[in-house]
Amino acid sequence: KQEVTQIPAALSVPEGENLVLNCSFTDSAIYNLQWFRQDPGKGLTSLLLIQSSQREQTSGRLNASLDKSSGRSTLYIAASQPGDSATYLCAVMYSSASKIIFGSGTRLSIRP
Amino acid sequence: DVKVTQSSRYLVKRTGEKVFLECVQDMDHENMFWYRQDPGLGLRLIYFSYDVKMKEKGDIPEGYSVSREKKERFSLILESASTNQTSMYLCASSTPRGWSSYNEQFFGPGTRLTVL
Repeated sequence: KQEVTQIPAALSVPEGENLVLNCSFTDSAIYNLQWFRQDPGKGLTSLLLIQSSQREQTSGRLNASLDKSSGRSTLYIAASQPGDSATYLCAVMYSSASKIIFGSGTRLSIRP
Repeated sequence: DVKVTQSSRYLVKRTGEKVFLECVQDMDHENMFWYRQDPGLGLRLIYFSYDVKMKEKGDIPEGYSVSREKKERFSLILESASTNQTSMYLCASSTPRGWSSYNEQFFGPGTRLTVL
C-alpha cells in the first residue's frame, strides 16, 4: 500500500535558523514528488517538483532532495523568516498505481 | 503564471440540495483534479480528468460526480448534499496529459463548503 508520512507534525524554530522538513514514502516506483506550502484557509502553493530521475531541486532559499532507494525527501529552508510560517505538504505521484498521495503536512512556525 | 480559480470561497448549503463547484484554469492544462481536505485525513482525490469528457475515479468518488465539457473547466457535483460532505474542496490542474514525471500540480484557492 502506498503511503506518505511527514514527521514532525509541527515544528517551531526561531527566526534565522536553517531547518529541514521530512517526507517519507513507501514504494520507490514514483513519477515525482512535489512540495507545497499552505497558509491557513487557503489553497496549496507549489514550491518544488522533483522528477524521479532527479536528486534535488532548488528555488531561492529552498532546496529539496529525493532519495528513492530509501523512500525519503527533505525540504531544506535556509535563513528562516516569519513569513515562512505555514503548513508544508509533500505529495508523491506513484507510477505503480497512477495515483497521488499527500502527506499530512508539517505545521511550521517561525518565531521572530 | 498558472491561474486556477474556483467559483466560491465559502458556500453554505442544506442537506439534500444539489451543489455545483466550478473550477477554471487558464493555462490550457489537460489534467484537472478535485480533492477534499479534512483535518486528520489530509487531501484525498475525488475525481480527475485528463481530457474533455474524460473522467477517472479517485480514492473517494462516492456521493460525487464531475463534468468536463470544456478543457478549461472542471465541475464537481454533489447530487444530494449530506453533512459528511462538509469540507474544504480544492481543484488543481497539470500538464502534460495523463501521468508522468513532468506533472506539476497547481491549485486553486479552495471552496469551504458547509452542509447544514
